[in-house]
Amino acid sequence: DIQMTQSPSSLSASVGDRLTITCRASQNIRSYLNWYQQKPGKAPELLIYVASNLQSGVPSRFSGSGSGTDFTLTISSLQPEDFATYYCQQSYTTPYTFGQGTKLEIK
Amino acid sequence: QVTLRESGPALVKPTQTLTLTCSFSEFSLRTSGICVSWIRQPPGKALEWLARIDWNDDKYYTPSLKTRLSISRDTSKNQVVLTMTNMEPVDTATYHCVVMVYATVRITFDYWGQGSLVTVSS
Repeated sequence: DIQMTQSPSSLSASVGDRLTITCRASQNIRSYLNWYQQKPGKAPELLIYVASNLQSGVPSRFSGSGSGTDFTLTISSLQPEDFATYYCQQSYTTPYTFGQGTKLEIK
Repeated sequence: QVTLRESGPALVKPTQTLTLTCSFSEFSLRTSGICVSWIRQPPGKALEWLARIDWNDDKYYTPSLKTRLSISRDTSKNQVVLTMTNMEPVDTATYHCVVMVYATVRITFDYWGQGSLVTVSS
């Protein structure tokens, strides 16, 4: 299985901050990398697909980059509704695997 | 609007078989490029992909659970069923069914059910 490792596992930040979450794959997954946001008690929602493509309806303050084994999710200016847990996920091959999650909390 | 709803028992005993049904609307599992997956999430933990069934009835399983899982579909009823045998307490989780878009490069979990919390306990 391809292992996905996110860092950091948790993060405290303030409204208006710019932050970056990283995701590393245990092997080359080209650009087959997606990002999801999950709020407490809710199902995850797709944010970014194929490493850098914004899902329809997702605010432009979210962006993704990377290819191969190293990827990033950036939020340019944190809003109150962005405090959630973020997961990366590889779709290069089955079994599809997720990172362990990055929990973003209000400072 | 695509909707998915998971149904099944909230509590199962160890060694029992779990059967979960996903009922969906506003899409067809006969449409090329549409798949349905099951993903679970133990309380406070990360997401784990379990199985996938495709528009052409191809099926895929996570290797670590392959011997215990079975996924099937009833296109006339717009349902997908997941069975998991020999349930253990570590299988306690919220089980989501998810519509996947399977394109050349884009392979994404687009629409999620709210999930069905299954607790395994005697």
